[in-house]
Amino acid sequence: AQSVTQLDSQVPVFEEAPVELRCNYSSSVSVYLFWYVQYPNQGLQLLLKYLSGSTLVKGINGFEAEFNKSQTSFHLRKPSVHISDTAEYFCAVSKNTGFQKLVFGTGTRLLVSP
Amino acid sequence: SQTIHQWPATLVQPVGSPLSLECTVEGTSNPNLYWYRQAAGRGLQLLFYSVGIGQISSEVPQNLSASRPQDRQFILSSKKLLLSDSGFYLCAWTGTGPYNEQFFGPGTRLTVL
Repeated sequence: AQSVTQLDSQVPVFEEAPVELRCNYSSSVSVYLFWYVQYPNQGLQLLLKYLSGSTLVKGINGFEAEFNKSQTSFHLRKPSVHISDTAEYFCAVSKNTGFQKLVFGTGTRLLVSP
Repeated sequence: SQTIHQWPATLVQPVGSPLSLECTVEGTSNPNLYWYRQAAGRGLQLLFYSVGIGQISSEVPQNLSASRPQDRQFILSSKKLLLSDSGFYLCAWTGTGPYNEQFFGPGTRLTVL
């Protein structure tokens, strides 16, 4: 089975500062990795995904993440955040064979202040 | 393009009352369908998934059930709600194949009093 740990429940940051949201996963098989964003009272929107190939993946809204297999991590980064980036961010994992079920972390709330 | 709908958007129900949440997908056929619950301060928990009409897999034993009466319709039900059933319920779909992104609906906020 797969599991995901998001170490920070909340990350406060000032506007235009860089940010990193941490995600570690556990799995005995190869995986796909995802980051989703959720704005208040809305569904989830995919930010980016790692399926295979280059370990640095770029997503929407200027976000990027790096897959590190040896550290079983998939941290999300943005070099300069905006107020509009305030939201909940979820890391998720699924095995890369068979029927895909996503396992989510508990989420990290990003709070961007002026 | 594909669209996923959920209704109602919000619901307040007394303990012991029945529940029916509906999810429909447009613009695709034979999708895989999922129900998740998001409790306050917690991540998303997969409740049920379905790969076809009448085919339901349950991930967590609980007070809820799911049904798929039509290809693009997924219903979450309960005969008697508990306080612990409160939460944000999200429906999602994927296409079939080696990899498909999960697309989420707007969610239903359920409060059980």
